[in-house]
Amino acid sequence: DQQVKQNSPSLSVQEGRISILNCDYTNSMFDYFLWYKKYPAEGPTFLISISSIKDKNEDGRFTVFLNKSAKHLSLHIVPSQPGDSAVYFCAAPLSTGNQFYFGTGTSLTVIP
Amino acid sequence: DTGVSQNPRHKITKRGQNVTFRCDPISEHNRLYWYRQTLGQGPEFLTYFQNEAQLEKSRLLSDRFSAERPKGSFSTLEIQRTEQGDSAMYLCATLTGARNTIYFGEGSWLTVV
Repeated sequence: DQQVKQNSPSLSVQEGRISILNCDYTNSMFDYFLWYKKYPAEGPTFLISISSIKDKNEDGRFTVFLNKSAKHLSLHIVPSQPGDSAVYFCAAPLSTGNQFYFGTGTSLTVIP
Repeated sequence: DTGVSQNPRHKITKRGQNVTFRCDPISEHNRLYWYRQTLGQGPEFLTYFQNEAQLEKSRLLSDRFSAERPKGSFSTLEIQRTEQGDSAMYLCATLTGARNTIYFGEGSWLTVV
């Protein structure tokens, strides 16, 4: 039962261009969403989050967009840098925070 | 630095052996989570603690798995009679008080041969 889905296993982008990573969810009870970045052999690192009361949150080169009607969120990275090459996971907790559900990840490669 | 330390970072064990992983949050976060991640998958929830109480366990946590958090500080995850399917990265995470965000440790890689 995959409540958070990332349908693109991989993405390649040229340095300096925009990277767009997508995530869909099925549980309408989710009201908070997070993106994590993971390098090999390390734990995931929190990147950015968004509450369902907003449709956009920006932090430097990273912007997350939320479309509640479509149950869809996306992470935009602009400009993309080679150091951004990693696996990106979207996640959402149930409001009680008991469990955080993660997507299967998108592996981003930024080509110099 | 997320304030969550995990040991050992890597463990290779023979099938059938027992292994134990430890998680040390630097500061005393009330909620502590264990997740497992295999290649091509996102982190999968195993269990979580509120202080020393284990409040929820995933069906992924078979009877060979046991987790403890004595005194509500560090936590251990033990796997008995390991199987090759247990090979994965085991992640510990804590919930901050400021917002609904969990922060992961560096993870512990388990390889069962």
